Amino acid sequence: QQQVKQSPQSLIVQKGGISIINCAYENTAFDYFPWYQQFPGKGPALLIAIRPDVSEKKEGRFTISFNKSAKQFSLHIMDSQPGDSATYFCAAKTSGTYKYIFGTGTRLKVLA
Amino acid sequence: GAGVSQSPSNKVTEKGKDVELRCDPISGHTALYWYRQRLGQGLEFLIYFQGNSAPDKSGLPSDRFSAERTGESVSTLTIQRTQQEDSAVYLCASSLGTGSMNTEAFFGQGTRLTVV
Repeated sequence: QQQVKQSPQSLIVQKGGISIINCAYENTAFDYFPWYQQFPGKGPALLIAIRPDVSEKKEGRFTISFNKSAKQFSLHIMDSQPGDSATYFCAAKTSGTYKYIFGTGTRLKVLA
Repeated sequence: GAGVSQSPSNKVTEKGKDVELRCDPISGHTALYWYRQRLGQGLEFLIYFQGNSAPDKSGLPSDRFSAERTGESVSTLTIQRTQQEDSAVYLCASSLGTGSMNTEAFFGQGTRLTVV
């Protein structure tokens, strides 16, 4: 019940295309859903996060879509660029607790 | 400091040796986490420190693993009698706390441990 399932494991997208990464969770107590971006040799960095009181959050080319009833959330990268090539992790957490539960990661490659 | 700093960035050790990994969190961050990232896998929670509270050690995989933190500053993760399966990137993160408005965790660049 503590797991966050992430798919796909890897993704190749043409420059200018849309990258979509999906995550699903079981624990309905989760109420904070961040996405982290990790470049090789670097630690993960927060990209964008959402709380379940909204169904969508957009920051520039990055959008989180959240479906509370389905217990799913996804990251959409519009107009994908080669510089977006990285590993993306979804995560979930309950406010007032400290333990982030991470997905297994998606390795994105955007072709020039 | 400006960010979470970890040292060393890379460590190669012989099987059976002890290693110590260091993490300097962002100044003022009361919460500190250690995660393990095996090649091609997600982040595995190891241990959490929050202020002066007792740490949550529930993620430590064996008694060969231990961690300490002095107040709200530096933390060290120690692995005794290293095994090849300990090879991974060990990530440290810190955050202001657990409240709903300040939950962002800032990660260091990690220590890549290779046990040969």
